[in-house]
Amino acid sequence: EVQLVESGGGLVQPGGSLRLSCAASGFTFTNYWIHWVRQVPGKGLVWVSRVNSDGRNTRYADSVKGRFTISRDNAQNMVYLQMNSLRAEDTAVYYCASLGNSAFWGQGTLVTVSS
Amino acid sequence: DIQMTQSPSSLSASVGDRVTITCQASQDITKSLNWYQQKPGKAPKLLIYGASNLKTGVPSRFSGSASGTDFTFTINSLQPEDIATYYCQQYDDLPITFGQGTRLEIE
Repeated sequence: EVQLVESGGGLVQPGGSLRLSCAASGFTFTNYWIHWVRQVPGKGLVWVSRVNSDGRNTRYADSVKGRFTISRDNAQNMVYLQMNSLRAEDTAVYYCASLGNSAFWGQGTLVTVSS
Repeated sequence: DIQMTQSPSSLSASVGDRVTITCQASQDITKSLNWYQQKPGKAPKLLIYGASNLKTGVPSRFSGSASGTDFTFTINSLQPEDIATYYCQQYDDLPITFGQGTRLEIE
């Protein structure tokens, strides 16, 4: 069964840091780019970042560029999102996902940035 | 960035109705378009990929079509379990972009 499982969400103060993890199983991990997408509860889906298959190429939305870092460990079938200098507007459910023609998503992890 | 303009933002229909949602891309995306269904508290679920291909296991009342930069998603014979929000998403180029979503309600 194809599966992505996120973890690492929680409550953090503005200016703080958090690292999200995404554990992959049930598919050939190195064949897929992996993305992070976020969603404010009750609002739409917003793309955040992407890492390519070998981890050497990354892309970011302008809103997180310079603050977030995506990485992957192909030996462990893991993807990470290091989030620094967090702001209230980063509060959202964060999903890891494959977004091509065989798209699949994790269940999401909630990040709340608040004092 | 490629803009995806989805309409309507909300829709109310009766069980058995045919429902249509549209997405327009701001440039050619070569049919690199997914349609998702999202229910409250759940992750999006892929229904249609490549603009018109039904994912295995998805009921055949769901369909998609494309004409240039215009994309249509149709539910034939709406069922109560189809209450959800539906999104289009282009994967032709980064950044990945989504339509604004269509909230579907049953009358």
